Amino acid sequence: EPEVTQTPSHQVTQMGQEVILRCVPISNHLYFYWYRQILGQKVEFLVSFYNNEISEKSEIFDDQFSVERPDGSNFTLKIRSTKLEDSAMYFCASSEREGLGAFFGQGTRLTVV
Amino acid sequence: AQKVTQAQTEISVVEKEDVTLDCVYETRDTTYYLFWYKQPPSGELVFLIRRNSFDEQNEISGRYSWNFQKSTSSFNFTITASQVVDSAVYFCALSEAYQGYSTLTFGKGTMLLVSP
Repeated sequence: EPEVTQTPSHQVTQMGQEVILRCVPISNHLYFYWYRQILGQKVEFLVSFYNNEISEKSEIFDDQFSVERPDGSNFTLKIRSTKLEDSAMYFCASSEREGLGAFFGQGTRLTVV
Repeated sequence: AQKVTQAQTEISVVEKEDVTLDCVYETRDTTYYLFWYKQPPSGELVFLIRRNSFDEQNEISGRYSWNFQKSTSSFNFTITASQVVDSAVYFCALSEAYQGYSTLTFGKGTMLLVSP
């Protein structure tokens, strides 16, 4: 069964460092998303991406964040200068079309120390 | 006001009991989608069901069933004859037309603990 894959599964980084979280969406999907979940809290939308551009972003997705689809298969989230409060589980998701229901990857746990 | 409210923070049942997880939503759109996701202890988010706002027919999938009632803005999820493997956090989510359906707004989740 096709799935969304994320790497790494766990990343530890020092405050102020840049991190790149990587995702390989399901191959025939056209819409890509990043969500995050601070430990014990609800899942929050960060950004959606379609046709090589951001289609929606939340207030959380400030200038420290960027997304990119550098080739035909990868979808990345970059955090330029990490803060302690960026520590969370980051989920990549993809969907064939909007409203269809996103399929999520297994997540990357980011720990900023 | 929250768009998706899951009032039950945690539910504990004994195996084989039936359990219903509540979800109440709020939207100004007439067209929207509702979802349920399961998050087991391993952490991933597993898609369970999608329902659009025009389809109020209840759905059953094995031991799972969903009751969508527009009149009360609710989309409740029932697990029949619960099993230990059902232990997880369950999230209800909403996707709205005015956002182009491009985002999911999640509730805070209900942790279900099924004991043997």
